[in-house]
Amino acid sequence: DVKVTQSSRYLVKRTGEKVFLECVQDMDHENMFWYRQDPGLGLRLIYFSYDVKMKEKGDIPEGYSVSREKKERFSLILESASTNQTSMYLCASNGAGGPYEQYFGPGTRLTVT
Amino acid sequence: SQQGEEDPQALSIQEGENATMNCSYKTSINNLQWYRQNSGRGLVHLILIRSNEREKHSGRLRVTLDTSKKSSSLLITASRAADTASYFCATDGRSGNTGKLIFGQGTTLQVKP
Repeated sequence: DVKVTQSSRYLVKRTGEKVFLECVQDMDHENMFWYRQDPGLGLRLIYFSYDVKMKEKGDIPEGYSVSREKKERFSLILESASTNQTSMYLCASNGAGGPYEQYFGPGTRLTVT
Repeated sequence: SQQGEEDPQALSIQEGENATMNCSYKTSINNLQWYRQNSGRGLVHLILIRSNEREKHSGRLRVTLDTSKKSSSLLITASRAADTASYFCATDGRSGNTGKLIFGQGTTLQVKP
């Protein structure tokens, strides 16, 4: 059974804190993605990675960075959390070669106060 | 950037009725996918239709694709209360082998028992 796990379901952080969101997949997928989801805005891509140590910016990378040191793990980092980063964060993965169905983790609801 | 736009944004029906959701997109695609999201959870892949297919079925789901109109529809027949969720279309926008998808804003479906 394929699985994408995220380190926390709920997280509360203070403004200015450094925040790490971890995502692990057990499907040996090459591609991994971080999205944020806000009401009325759908899913917006923050960053994605197509290989270890490789990353590309998505549509809204400002205020975020990522790390992929191992194939199965993709971390999203908020260097200095701000209240406008309060959101649902979703991690997903898929394999290279298509047809690119994405497998999602359960999500992390982050609140920055 | 938004590729898929779902219509309607919200839909409320009685159990046993059919639910139809529509998706329009802007660029050429290799395939279009539909996902489901239960409240506060990650997305789950429902069905994929390739650009050379016009219709596809999976259980109570029927998806159509009209590439000339750049639109797709998802029909859920004989709906159940458990179908209550948000539904998203996603396209690959001919993104090559990156596996990236572009999601619409979703249709929220409520099925009343």
